Amino acid sequence: DAGVTQSPTHLIKTRGQQVTLRCSPKSGHDTVSWYQQALGQGPQFIFQYYEEEERQRGNFPDRFSGHQFPNYSSELNVNALLLGDSALYLCASSLAWDEQYFGPGTRLTVT
Amino acid sequence: AQKITQTQPGMFVQEKEAVTLDCTYDTSDQSYGLFWYKQPSSGEMIFLIYQGSYDEQNATEGRYSLNFQKARKSANLVISASQLGDSAMYFCAMRTAGGTSYGKLTFGQGTILTVHP
Repeated sequence: DAGVTQSPTHLIKTRGQQVTLRCSPKSGHDTVSWYQQALGQGPQFIFQYYEEEERQRGNFPDRFSGHQFPNYSSELNVNALLLGDSALYLCASSLAWDEQYFGPGTRLTVT
Repeated sequence: AQKITQTQPGMFVQEKEAVTLDCTYDTSDQSYGLFWYKQPSSGEMIFLIYQGSYDEQNATEGRYSLNFQKARKSANLVISASQLGDSAMYFCAMRTAGGTSYGKLTFGQGTILTVHP
C-alpha cells in the first residue's frame, strides 16, 4: 500500500517564476492538506482540499493556489516566487477526520 | 486562535533511558485532538501518537506514551528506552473541530532530540 508521494523531491527556481508541486494521497484517502515548513520552524498550514474544492485556507497570499483532481491527487501552485518562499512543502492526506499522513516533502529553493 | 508551545529547543538523553518532551496548548474549543510527529533529517513527518480531548486514558503506542493533563493544557510525549534512531525533530500538533479550523493542524516549533550511546 503506497503512502503519500510527492514530486519533485527538490526544485530550484528563480525569483518571479512560477512552480507547481504535486501530491498523490495514500490509498483510500480523500482529503489533502498542504503545509510550508521554513528551516528550523514548524509546518504552517497553507490550505486543504476535499471533493475537489478548497475547504480551508491558512494565512497565505493568493500567490498560493491549489487544485484537487477526481482521483484525489493535488497540486500546489506558487506564482511570482519570492526568496521567502524557499521551504520544505509537505503534503498530508487523510480520510475525513482521521489522522493526517505526510509525504516526504518537496524542498523548494528560490534564488 | 489555536497555539502550541514547545519550550525545549533541544533535549539530550542517554540510550535506553526515558525522556519527556513538553507540549502545552491553547484553544477555546472543547473538542480537539493532539498529535506528536517525528521528523528525521530526511524531512518526512512520521505520525507517532494521538490523544483526543475526550479520551480518559492516556494514549500509548509501543515505546511512546502521551501524558495528557487537560486542566493544565499539556500533552507531553514520553519516550521510554530511547534508541539511537530516535534522534530527530519532534513536533506537537493540535487539530480543533470548531469553526474555520476544521482539519487544520497547528504545529509547535519543535524539539530536537539527540540520543547519546
